Amino acid sequence: NAGVMQNPRHLVRRRGQEARLRCSPMKGHSHVYWYRQLPEEGLKFMVYLQKENIIDESGMPKERFSAEFPKEGPSILRIQQVVRGDSAAYFCASSPKGSGELFFGEGSRLTVL
Amino acid sequence: GENVEQHPSTLSVQEGDSAVIKCTYSDSASNYFPWYKQELGKGPQLIIDIRSNVGEKKDQRIAVTLNKTAKHFSLHITETQPEDSAVYFCAATPGAGTYKYIFGTGTRLKVLA
Repeated sequence: NAGVMQNPRHLVRRRGQEARLRCSPMKGHSHVYWYRQLPEEGLKFMVYLQKENIIDESGMPKERFSAEFPKEGPSILRIQQVVRGDSAAYFCASSPKGSGELFFGEGSRLTVL
Repeated sequence: GENVEQHPSTLSVQEGDSAVIKCTYSDSASNYFPWYKQELGKGPQLIIDIRSNVGEKKDQRIAVTLNKTAKHFSLHITETQPEDSAVYFCAATPGAGTYKYIFGTGTRLKVLA
């Protein structure tokens, strides 16, 4: 019974490039969340999605960041024109319903050179 | 909005001793308080949680207490072992939108053999 799968685990980008992070939720889970963890800090909520719907994106920066969870395939967090401040670990979590326990993936660590 | 403070930021204990990590929250409507353990390079793993209608919960060597009046909750680990060494995060969920966990800044626990 696979858990939340994220890829890539590590991603290096130069300033101005695009980063795409993918997340497949646990089997049977239709709610996906993205959190960002800066070095030595706690996780900060970014966005909550269900299939084909963004439910809450109040934690997402207004520019350059977008997220989707299509009918088929994984959820994708896209960061356009990356800057050094985007360097962080990005964690995806899923749940069977929109409340209660979240199950986290192992994260995607983005480094912007 | 909700704010969660966590103390201490680092904690070293001798193997076999107890460890206590404390968190305070600001939103009296918060009703779910999970604790996560994060090992190096891994994603957060839920270790125990408590809901606002319960004052204490125990699972083997781990216990959590909640004081709703004072708005603080604590993680207690007894008979610590080297494999307990990790970063521990508390979180609280605001009453509205229980998916939006507000995390503390983490406690790095080192258990010395």
